[in-house]
Amino acid sequence: EDKVVQSPLSLVVHEGDTVTLNCSYEVTNFRSLLWYKQEKKAPTFLFMLTSSGIEKKSGRLSSILDKKELFSILNITATQTGDSAVYLCAVFYGGGYNKLIFGAGTRLAVHP
Amino acid sequence: DAGVIQSPRHEVTEMGQEVTLRCKPISGHNSLFWYRQTMMRGLELLIYFNNNVPIDDSGMPEDRFSAKMPNASFSTLKIQPSEPRDSAVYFCASSSDIANQPQHFGDGTRLSIL
Repeated sequence: EDKVVQSPLSLVVHEGDTVTLNCSYEVTNFRSLLWYKQEKKAPTFLFMLTSSGIEKKSGRLSSILDKKELFSILNITATQTGDSAVYLCAVFYGGGYNKLIFGAGTRLAVHP
Repeated sequence: DAGVIQSPRHEVTEMGQEVTLRCKPISGHNSLFWYRQTMMRGLELLIYFNNNVPIDDSGMPEDRFSAKMPNASFSTLKIQPSEPRDSAVYFCASSSDIANQPQHFGDGTRLSIL
């Protein structure tokens, strides 16, 4: 059965801390892995990773993929209260039409 | 640019009533996806369309659920009759069908069935 597993399920940190969120997957015909951030409404796209070992960065956020070990991590440095959200990992798999399977998400709370 | 537009934002109705959720995808996107999100099950894909044609409806929970896409700029998800266990946030997302294009989500419809 295709699945995406995220850990931890929830995390509480203080501003300025660095956090690492984990995503592992088992899918047929893996194509790419995506990270989304969900605050109160729609999930918003952060990164897409297709190749192993190539880090994607956007400000304080970075992510990397390991296709041999079938996992990805999302790092957030110098966390701020605005980083509080659910972070979703998703994987393109199977045939065409960009079908995604999502993990359960990691709920991050950043306290002042 | 306008994103994915969903309506209504909130819907509260009584059990047994028909519910219709609406979605306008991003112009130029030819793939459209309907998801349901609950605390227990997370984000689940219900059905997706490509070029207005349903491709995979294996995630539709039962015959009470139906979806249509009469044209490239409009889709509906209908529940008839509705039940309390259908209460959830329903998201619509769209993307280009070029390989590995991220999906863009609407703000969702929060549905409560009493």
